[in-house]
Amino acid sequence: DAKTTQPPSMDCAEGRAANLPCNHSTISGNEYVYWYRQIHSQGPQYIIHGLKNNETNEMASLIITEDRKSSTLILPHATLRDTAVYYCIVTLGGNAGNMLTFGGGTRLMVKP
Amino acid sequence: EPEVTQTPSHQVTQMGQEVILRCVPISNHLYFYWYRQILGQKVEFLVSFYNNEISEKSEIFDDQFSVERPDGSNFTLKIRSTKLEDSAMYFCASSEEGGISNQPQHFGDGTRLSIL
Repeated sequence: DAKTTQPPSMDCAEGRAANLPCNHSTISGNEYVYWYRQIHSQGPQYIIHGLKNNETNEMASLIITEDRKSSTLILPHATLRDTAVYYCIVTLGGNAGNMLTFGGGTRLMVKP
Repeated sequence: EPEVTQTPSHQVTQMGQEVILRCVPISNHLYFYWYRQILGQKVEFLVSFYNNEISEKSEIFDDQFSVERPDGSNFTLKIRSTKLEDSAMYFCASSEEGGISNQPQHFGDGTRLSIL
């Protein structure tokens, strides 16, 4: 079973920041936090991942709390094309080809 | 940007027939995966593959399923005798060698398998 808890749905106004929360209170020290999204029925799209530190890339920012029990994905200026299901996943790091366990995710609706 | 490509985009097959789903992973990637998503349900892990052998598999991946890397570029999923409940989107993914940091899996856009 998924080790994360996310709200089932959220709305965001176009142009505003979308802040998607995720709880992972049982995360272990060597587990990473990954975020993916799935637009309609397309394949899951990698967004960002982190271990302890906050991370930023061209798509989003990831804020991980100091105790690592929760995180927030931030889309700084949401567009209509960001409407998707967003998945927060914790998984082991290292060389192993670790499986991803998808939960129900958060359905983000970006509205004009 | 390099991407994972899957063919065909839609496969329709009679129950009991064999089907092969094909994937071309990103060229420098060494880990390969198959996932499936039944309509309206979660994405489920099937199998991971590294160094020409299965690394991990789920309970779904029973004897009806097999994977192969027949040449240097393709990665295939074979379902030997399809059942109605095999109808789903099948996603292939690949990732680089992890090194000291974890590497993300990159997914293709899937093959929709419809069993009649």
